[in-house]
Amino acid sequence: EAGVTQFPSHSVIEKGQTVTLRCDPISGHDNLYWYRRVMGKEIKFLLHFVKESKQDESGMPNNRFLAERTGGTYSTLKVQPAELEDSGVYFCASSQPGTNQPQHFGDGTRLSIL
Amino acid sequence: GNSVTQMEGPVTLSEEAFLTINCTYTATGYPSLFWYVQYPGEGLQLLLKATKADDKGSNKGFEATYRKETTSFHLEKGSVQVSDSAVYFCALRNTGNQFYFGTGTSLTVIP
Repeated sequence: EAGVTQFPSHSVIEKGQTVTLRCDPISGHDNLYWYRRVMGKEIKFLLHFVKESKQDESGMPNNRFLAERTGGTYSTLKVQPAELEDSGVYFCASSQPGTNQPQHFGDGTRLSIL
Repeated sequence: GNSVTQMEGPVTLSEEAFLTINCTYTATGYPSLFWYVQYPGEGLQLLLKATKADDKGSNKGFEATYRKETTSFHLEKGSVQVSDSAVYFCALRNTGNQFYFGTGTSLTVIP
């Protein structure tokens, strides 16, 4: 079974540019989560999809971040325009339908804003 | 609210040394507690978990006991190996299935 895959593994862009991160969850996993770790700090929850619907987006830092999950399969997280403080590692996780299912994490995308 | 506080790193140990990484939490309700590990160049992997008070999670020689009275979930291993070098994250999951992570503790084990 393929795990959660994220693309790209590393992105380096200039301040003001746009970047789109992609996450492919494990097949059949309705739940999809985005997290972010800013250097030296804790991993913080950004949002949670159940299929194509946003269940909880309370962790999204501001309106420069847009997450989508059209069709309830893969998800994208777009940052536009990127700011220096957006640098960090963005993790995606997925889990099977229902609550209290274990979350499986991807390898993360390291985003560097110059 | 919910939060996790874990021991600051980095931690450097010699092979076969005893490891403790402290973790305490604040939570509403009855959370589940986890330790995740991130090996160099890889994603987060579940190391162990405990879902209720006094449960002990264990895996690969690591152990942690859910202590409700001290709101702690300290990670221990009796004899570390070079291959244990990684970043360790303590986390809780609340009843809403949302995770709260600590800042991570980097462990380096030297031969």
